Parts: sequence; structure tokens; C-alpha cells
Amino acid sequence: DPKIIQKPKYLVAVTGSEKILICEQYLGHNAMYWYRQSAKKPLEFMFSYSYQKLMDNQTASSRFQPQSSKKNHLDLQITALKPDDSATYFCASSQVRSNERLFFGHGTKLSVL
Amino acid sequence: AQSVTQPDARVTVSEGASLQLRCKYSYSGTPYLFWYVQYPRQGLQLLLKYYSGDPVVQGVNGFEAEFSKSNSSFHLRKASVHWSDSAVYFCVVGSNAKLTFGKGTKLSVKS
Repeated sequence: DPKIIQKPKYLVAVTGSEKILICEQYLGHNAMYWYRQSAKKPLEFMFSYSYQKLMDNQTASSRFQPQSSKKNHLDLQITALKPDDSATYFCASSQVRSNERLFFGHGTKLSVL
Repeated sequence: AQSVTQPDARVTVSEGASLQLRCKYSYSGTPYLFWYVQYPRQGLQLLLKYYSGDPVVQGVNGFEAEFSKSNSSFHLRKASVHWSDSAVYFCVVGSNAKLTFGKGTKLSVKS
């Protein structure tokens, strides 16, 4: 059974709309992250959270807002969607925010038309 | 700024052959280095990681990697590949889980 659940697996949105990508982890980890993998770029770090607090933000646009309602949740809200936002978004977690092993979810593939 | 270069976008080998996937990195200080693998329709999984000590580090499924500070390299090797090793392999450098990924090398194993 997957220990990091991302919902939905696939998502189609229209330009200008807003979507929320869901991530829940059942590993008992205290740090969670979002990464993005677009067609022409390597996997890119977006955010890190530790104990539900934002630690790092490498996303230039404020249209991307992580939301942590529970310790094991880190959702990603994206507003005013653009075609360039089309990518697979991966949620990950680790025991603590350090260099130890990251566990990744299967990703949400977002297509913006 | 840290960066990773994987010069080979695609590699094809025959089952049972040996494998080397190349990786060069750029990092200020002592890097944490990783190899992750992405099987079709799955999330990424850690193969191995290196921070210090013996420059040859062993990973899962018979993979190993060798760190070279002088060459800024962290090549991945396997003595004998299996068809199930077909996947995309990412070389990664990072600290505090802010990982910088290479573009990946897609490995195809011919049976």
C-alpha cells in the first residue's frame, strides 16, 4: 500500500482556474515537500515544511500556496492556472528536514488547457 | 549554486551486461549525493546515498556508485543488469532535503 497518497492522479484544468493537489503521508514523518517535474525540466524543489511550518520556498510565484491542515497533510493550492503550470507534482516526506531519505508519492499529473 | 549533469539522456544495454550511468555535480562544500530511480507510473525511490567515508557506496538491487571529489563525479554502476532495471535514473545533490536533480537517464534493458 502506498504510504504517501496523492490525489488526484490526473487533473485537467482550464487556464485561469484554481486547483488543489492533495497529499497525505502515513509514515509518521515530520517533514514534507513538494517537487515539480515538467516536460522539459528536471525535477524541481518547490517547498519544504517541517512540523507544519514553512521552511523553504523556491517557488517565485505566489500562485502556489502549500497548506498544512494536519501534521501528515501538505496540500498545494494553485490559483490562476497557466499552461506552463502543466507538470507532474510530487509530494515527498522524510522523518526530519535533513539529508536523509525522501519518500515520494506517485505524483499528480496536471494538464492546463 | 548546486547543479547536476547527466550527459546521457538514454542508455540501452542488453540483459546481463554491465552498466555505468554518468553523473557530474557542482556544489560548494561537501555534498550529499543520491541516486533515485523512477519506475514507470511510480514515484521516485532511493537507490543509494553518499556523504562521507568509503567513496564506493552500495545500494539496493546490486547498484553501487563511486564518488570522486577530484572529478566531481558520482557514477552509478551495476555488474549485470536485469530487464526489471528499465527505468529513469536521477543523480541528485542536495542539503536539508532541498535536492537538485539531474535531468535523468532513461535506461532500457533489452532481453
